[in-house]
Amino acid sequence: AQTVTQSQPEMSVQEAETVTLSCTYDTSESDYYLFWYKQPPSRQMILVIRQEAYKQQNATENRFSVNFQKAAKSFSLKISDSQLGDAAMYFCAYRSYNTDKLIFGTGTRLQVFP
Amino acid sequence: EAGVTQFPSHSVIEKGQTVTLRCDPISGHDNLYWYRRVMGKEIKFLLHFVKESKQDESGMPNNRFLAERTGGTYSTLKVQPAELEDSGVYFCASSRLAGGTDTQYFGPGTRLTVL
Repeated sequence: AQTVTQSQPEMSVQEAETVTLSCTYDTSESDYYLFWYKQPPSRQMILVIRQEAYKQQNATENRFSVNFQKAAKSFSLKISDSQLGDAAMYFCAYRSYNTDKLIFGTGTRLQVFP
Repeated sequence: EAGVTQFPSHSVIEKGQTVTLRCDPISGHDNLYWYRRVMGKEIKFLLHFVKESKQDESGMPNNRFLAERTGGTYSTLKVQPAELEDSGVYFCASSRLAGGTDTQYFGPGTRLTVL
């Protein structure tokens, strides 16, 4: 069975700085998808970024980028130029190629200080 | 377009009582998912509907949980009778297509507390 591990329960960053959230996963599959979701306080979870395992190029969405290391089964999220609005719970998730269910990590709470 | 909505936002019940959670997916989304997060742990998949059919219910914890999606629109998740370990946040998500990289859009969740 696939598992997702987020080893950092909490992280903090100063506004305008860069922070990296870690995520590792375990799978025997070669085709899959990886996601980072963000849940701001008292608001719903939204997709931040996704990566197809077959793509070697790391996904980027504005200030958010990933470092996808397939051999190491690592999928970290880098947030550049952090903003107060980035404060949230961040969940890393895995999805097999042939199913729809998402497998989540336990989340990392990110605090952003002015 | 309106997002995924869930009702109620909070529910506090006593052990042994029944609770029904409701999820309204985004209009036109055939796929509907239920997930649950027990305090401090990971979000876990419960089940997946395609229209009114259960595509995957491998995550349903036991037969005290009953999910329905009559007419392929909104869905309900009933817990009967509720136990203490059922406490957590229940999320609903929907997507237009199945498979691929189609995004699952999440609702705000229902926080269930069983006393």
